[in-house]
Amino acid sequence: GESVGLHLPTLSVQEGDNSIINCAYSNSASDYFIWYKQESGKGPQFIIDIRSNMDKRQGQRVTVLLNKTVKHLSLQIAATQPGDSAVYFCAEFRGSSNTGKLIFGQGTTLQVKP
Amino acid sequence: SAVISQKPSRDICQRGTSLTIQCQVDSQVTMMFWYRQQPGQSLTLIATANQGSEATYESGFVIDKFPISRPNLTFSTLTVSNMSPEDSSIYLCSVGGGAFWISGELFFGEGSRLTVL
Repeated sequence: GESVGLHLPTLSVQEGDNSIINCAYSNSASDYFIWYKQESGKGPQFIIDIRSNMDKRQGQRVTVLLNKTVKHLSLQIAATQPGDSAVYFCAEFRGSSNTGKLIFGQGTTLQVKP
Repeated sequence: SAVISQKPSRDICQRGTSLTIQCQVDSQVTMMFWYRQQPGQSLTLIATANQGSEATYESGFVIDKFPISRPNLTFSTLTVSNMSPEDSSIYLCSVGGGAFWISGELFFGEGSRLTVL
């Protein structure tokens, strides 16, 4: 079946370095993607989203890139901090705004070394 | 954003019993979903909780095992029936489409961590 998946299960970076988390999706009809951050013992929290009519979107210290040609999504975190340590999920929204659903990828654990 | 409260936050249950998880939202929302997150895994959508009608279940999930209620626009319950150790998971409620709705973003509760012995 169709899925949203991530390339690497764990990413370890040095504090202050930039982090790049990747995601591949298979549903070419999807037009909306979200990155979530999940800290231990908590529910997922929204980080940033992007629609298919864009190829880049920037937030505070985070940038999401979308390559529709190869169905690839990435999350870039600038100047990674210890508080960024968490599991990161990409998610694909399927359907219309009031009848759709969110399908999650497998997740990448980001470990920030001091 | 919406404030989502789930009860219980955690529980230890005996095999063969059933447990109902409650999800309360502080504002009216159109969309409510139930997810399961098994240890060390991603979130898997169980069903969409539709207000005033039966829930819509994803492949691999059935109403007899996971009955859902959605009596109004701020509340839903998920029951995990006839539990086995394989049901040990975090169950998460998520919502969208309310007054705060700007994009397709969904908000999540803190989850209910169930351990089945």
